[in-house]
Amino acid sequence: DAKTTQPPSMDCAEGRAANLPCNHSTISGNEYVYWYRQIHSQGPQYIIHGLKNNETNEMASLIITEDRKSSTLILPHATLRDTAVYYCIVRGDSNYQLIWGAGTKLIIKP
Amino acid sequence: NAGVTQTPKFQVLKTGQSMTLQCAQDMNHNSMYWYRQDPGMGLRLIYYSASEGTTDKGEVPNGYNVSRLNKREFSLRLESAAPSQTSVYFCASSEPGQGAGELFFGEGSRLTVL
Repeated sequence: DAKTTQPPSMDCAEGRAANLPCNHSTISGNEYVYWYRQIHSQGPQYIIHGLKNNETNEMASLIITEDRKSSTLILPHATLRDTAVYYCIVRGDSNYQLIWGAGTKLIIKP
Repeated sequence: NAGVTQTPKFQVLKTGQSMTLQCAQDMNHNSMYWYRQDPGMGLRLIYYSASEGTTDKGEVPNGYNVSRLNKREFSLRLESAAPSQTSVYFCASSEPGQGAGELFFGEGSRLTVL
């Protein structure tokens, strides 16, 4: 599995867009980029995933660079409830052994 | 739907005691997982079951055993608990698809070994 690199922490003002970067320079062609978040000590929650193209859902947008070596998760209008640890993971088909780093602790400030 | 249900939510054990963590999912997923999470760290895979009838070791299997009882249930057993096994345990399930599928997690089981 490709490993990912994320900043340990970030702040964002409430109402602003939160942009969380992730580097995955060793990603292979069949590996997807997944984002999860973990609020307090709850179970991680799926946010979004993508392979090559940019993706958007009701929670967030995912921007993947053309060379696929990095990506950015965008929370368009951050609220206090978005304060959480965000994990970026790469995952290939039939690959069950994911590597979860420490993630990015995002703090939304009023 | 309940999703992924773990029991118990909290447990305190003495060193050397045994216990089983139970996990059940109602999404008809083929794959199930057990992770542990220590303070300030990401999740580490203990065991997984890609499909009913199969189990495989993850990153940190020592001291644990698992049973895939049926498609819905996947249990984790600590035969002789040690203080190093104090952690939060998460069960997850997925349906293989794009990149082995989205993981759905339970709320966690908080285990303290004295």
